[in-house]
Amino acid sequence: KQEVTQIPAALSVPEGENLVLNCSFTDSAIYNLQWFRQDPGKGLTSLLLIQSSQREQTSGRLNASLDKSSGRSTLYIAASQPGDSATYLCAVSTGANNLFFGTGTRLTVIP
Amino acid sequence: KAGVTQTPRYLIKTRGQQVTLSCSPISGHRSVSWYQQTPGQGLQFLFEYFSETQRNKGNFPGRFSGRQFSNSRSEMNVSTLELGDSALYLCASSLGGDSYQPQHFGDGTRLSIL
Repeated sequence: KQEVTQIPAALSVPEGENLVLNCSFTDSAIYNLQWFRQDPGKGLTSLLLIQSSQREQTSGRLNASLDKSSGRSTLYIAASQPGDSATYLCAVSTGANNLFFGTGTRLTVIP
Repeated sequence: KAGVTQTPRYLIKTRGQQVTLSCSPISGHRSVSWYQQTPGQGLQFLFEYFSETQRNKGNFPGRFSGRQFSNSRSEMNVSTLELGDSALYLCASSLGGDSYQPQHFGDGTRLSIL
């Protein structure tokens, strides 16, 4: 069974700092990996999707990398802002739109 | 383009009752998936519907069921509610067909069981 782990569980950084969130998964037979953010009481907002054949994806201040063979992905956030405060979740797809989620990293950016 | 819409946003029920949750996907999306989110278990996959057929199912008891209509709207039903069913239920839609498309989530229905 696919297991997804995210480290750290919580992270506090001062505004302007660059940071890295980590995600690892046990079964490398994935279709893609997706990073989401979740604000309190809200649903999930898709940030980046990396296909299994890709190494990285970028969107604005966000960069996600994927090393499928080692079962790892990172989400890099540049020049963090208070509005980036949220829980970040990674999820891997093993087919048929069945996503396996990590437990998330709660990020707090301090003004 | 309207996003994924889930109704109602909040529900309070008592043990033993049943409940139906609704999800309207993004226009043109044919796949709808349902997830349960709890503090203890995190996000867990319930099932996925594509073109009115259940295509995949997670590890939940038969009390959890769903269906999809010809316009791709989907409903999820939970019968004989238990305290442990209290959770945020999230619906996600995608174009479907294959697993290479991103999933887009609604804001969820928060179900509380008394």
